[in-house]
Amino acid sequence: NAGVTQTPKFRILKIGQSMTLQCTQDMNHNYMYWYRQDPGMGLKLIYYSVGAGITDKGEVPNGYNVSRSTTEDFPLRLELAAPSQTSVYFCASKTEGFSGNTIYFGEGSWLTVV
Amino acid sequence: AQKITQTQPGMFVQEKEAVTLDCTYDTSDQSYGLFWYKQPSSGEMIFLIYQGSYDEQNATEGRYSLNFQKARKSANLVISASQLGDSAMYFCAMRGSYGQNFVFGPGTRLSVLP
Repeated sequence: NAGVTQTPKFRILKIGQSMTLQCTQDMNHNYMYWYRQDPGMGLKLIYYSVGAGITDKGEVPNGYNVSRSTTEDFPLRLELAAPSQTSVYFCASKTEGFSGNTIYFGEGSWLTVV
Repeated sequence: AQKITQTQPGMFVQEKEAVTLDCTYDTSDQSYGLFWYKQPSSGEMIFLIYQGSYDEQNATEGRYSLNFQKARKSANLVISASQLGDSAMYFCAMRGSYGQNFVFGPGTRLSVLP
């Protein structure tokens, strides 16, 4: 039972480089999210998607882009990486609608920009 | 907009004692859900307990219970009989009426002392 899978788990980027964090889920969830967690802090929402072809900004979208071409995949693109983007990134998903269903997290991707 | 406040950056509790982690929230939604997650040092996010805004009974899951006071907009987590393995960060989170927005508080670091 895979759930939410993120890759890579660890990555070191140089300032100005670009990369994509991959996220895929096999639970047929419509809602998907990207959060970042800075050391010792809570989670801040970067982008979210309520279905294929639909994305929206969260609290901290600057410096990131997303796409949602399929229900399963929700990649996060970092353009021109900056040290301020050093963080742990979590992808998550949930079923739609108002219910008790919780949000399911991937294992996180540790990104360091040097 | 929704907001979660956790006013205790860190808490200590003696093993086998009970501890309460505070959470207050702000929302204009009539229907919403409240969640608690545990994040151990390994980094993964573990779902603990859920409370719906229309649930009349406080939620319980094993040693976890949620003290829901709707008028005060508080959703405190109570851990009974603390164990050393309970040492972790704990996050309170809220989902709004339409289910797509999932907001986290800054977290409380709980340390259980032997």
